[in-house]
Amino acid sequence: DAGVTQSPTHLIKTRGQQVTLRCSPKSGHDTVSWYQQALGQGPQFIFQYYEEEERQRGNFPDRFSGHQFPNYSSELNVNALLLGDSALYLCASSRGTRHNEQFFGPGTRLTVL
Amino acid sequence: RKEVEQDPGPFNVPEGATVAFNCTYSNSASQSFFWYRQDCRKEPKLLMSVYSSGNEDGRFTAQLNRASQYISLLIRDSKLSDSATYLCVVIGGYSTLTFGKGTMLLVSP
Repeated sequence: DAGVTQSPTHLIKTRGQQVTLRCSPKSGHDTVSWYQQALGQGPQFIFQYYEEEERQRGNFPDRFSGHQFPNYSSELNVNALLLGDSALYLCASSRGTRHNEQFFGPGTRLTVL
Repeated sequence: RKEVEQDPGPFNVPEGATVAFNCTYSNSASQSFFWYRQDCRKEPKLLMSVYSSGNEDGRFTAQLNRASQYISLLIRDSKLSDSATYLCVVIGGYSTLTFGKGTMLLVSP
C-alpha cells in the first residue's frame, strides 16, 4: 500500500519562473491538502482539494493555484516565483470531509534563486 | 497573537529524563488537537491525538485544557531516538491543520 508520494523531490528555479509540484494521495484517500514549510517554521496551510474543487484556502496569494484530478492526485502551481517561495512543500492526504488523520508525503524542496 | 504558539527550544535533556512541552492556541472554537513529530528534513508524522480527558501512549502523555486553551506533551524516560521537532497542531473546520512552529528536542547520551 503506497503512501503519499510527491514529485519532484528537489527543484531549483529562478525568480519569475513558474513551477508545478505533484502529489499522489494514499490509496483510499480522496482529499489532498498542500502546506508550505519555510526553514525553522511549522507548515502553513495553502489550500485543500476535495472532489476536484478547492474547498478551503489559507492566506496565500493567487500566484498559488492548484488542481485535483479524477484519480484524486493533485498539482500545486506557483507563478512568478519569489525568493521567499523557497520552502519545503508538503502534500497531505486524508479521507472524506470530516477530519481524519492526514498522512504527509516526503515533500518537494523548492529553491528559488 | 499567533494561532498556535510553542516554545521553539531547543530542549537539551539526557537520556532517561522526563521533558514536557506546552502549546497555546488562540481560537476557542478549535475542535481537535494533535502532536506531530518531524525529524530533520523529513515530513511530519502523527504522534498522538489530544483528548480532553488526557491520553497516554507508552512513554507519551498528552493533555488538553480547553478553559486555558493549552495543550501539553509529556515524554518520560527519553530515548536518543526521541530527538526531533514536536509540532502542536490545532484543527478548525474542513480538516485544515494549523501548526505551531515546533519545539526541538535533543536527547543526549
